[in-house]
Amino acid sequence: EVQLVESGGGLVKPGGSLRLSCAASGFTFSYAYMSWVRQAPGKGLEWVGRIKSKTDDATTDYAASVKGRFTISRDDSKNTLYLQMNGLKIEDTAVYYCTTATTVPHWGQGSLVTVSS
Amino acid sequence: SYELTQPPSVSVSPGQTARITCSGDALPKKYAYWYQQRSGQAPVLVIHEDSKRPSGIPERFSGSSSGTMATLTINGAQVEDEADYYCYSTDGSDDHWVFGGGTKLTVL
Repeated sequence: EVQLVESGGGLVKPGGSLRLSCAASGFTFSYAYMSWVRQAPGKGLEWVGRIKSKTDDATTDYAASVKGRFTISRDDSKNTLYLQMNGLKIEDTAVYYCTTATTVPHWGQGSLVTVSS
Repeated sequence: SYELTQPPSVSVSPGQTARITCSGDALPKKYAYWYQQRSGQAPVLVIHEDSKRPSGIPERFSGSSSGTMATLTINGAQVEDEADYYCYSTDGSDDHWVFGGGTKLTVL
C-alpha cells in the first residue's frame, strides 16, 4: 500500500524559512516523479512543483508563484521528498500535500504551514 | 500562464445526472484528471487519463474528453457526492501542471 506522510509544517514569520518532508513507502520511490500541491484556507488546489527521478536528472519545475523561493529535492536512500521554502509570504499559508506524479497519483494527508507575524 | 476553466457551481437533485466541465487549450493533447474533495478532507482521485476510474470509485463516475473540453459525469448523483471537484492537467509541456478553479457540486 502506498503511503505518503508529510511533516515539518508549523508557524513561521513572513520572510522566514521552513522545510517540509514527505516519507514515502509502498512503492519504488527512486523511480517515481513526485510533486507538491498546496491549498490555502478556503481556496482551491494549486500545483507547487515537481521533481523527476534521478534517472531523469532529478529535474525540477515550479509554479511561477514559488519559483526562486521554493526548492524541491529528494533523498532516494531515505525514500523522502523535501520542500525547502524560503522567503515565505503570508499568501504561502496553506496545507501542503506531497503526491506521486504518476498515472494514478497518490496523496499524503497534508501538512499545515502558517505564515504570520 | 495556462488555465483550466470550470464552472464555480453545479446543482442537481438526487438521482439526476451531474456534469462538470473543464476547458483548456492543451486538452486535445493532454489527459485530464478529476479530484473530489469533501469538506475538510484530502482530495480523492475519481478519474485519471480522461476516462479511467480508479479502483474503489463508484461506477456512476465517468469521464470524457473532446477537443478543448473534459467532462466529469456523475450518473444518478447521490447526497454523498456533494463536494468540490477539480480538474488537473498539464500545459502541454509536461513540465507545468495546473488545477482548474474547482466546481462546488450541490446535491439536494
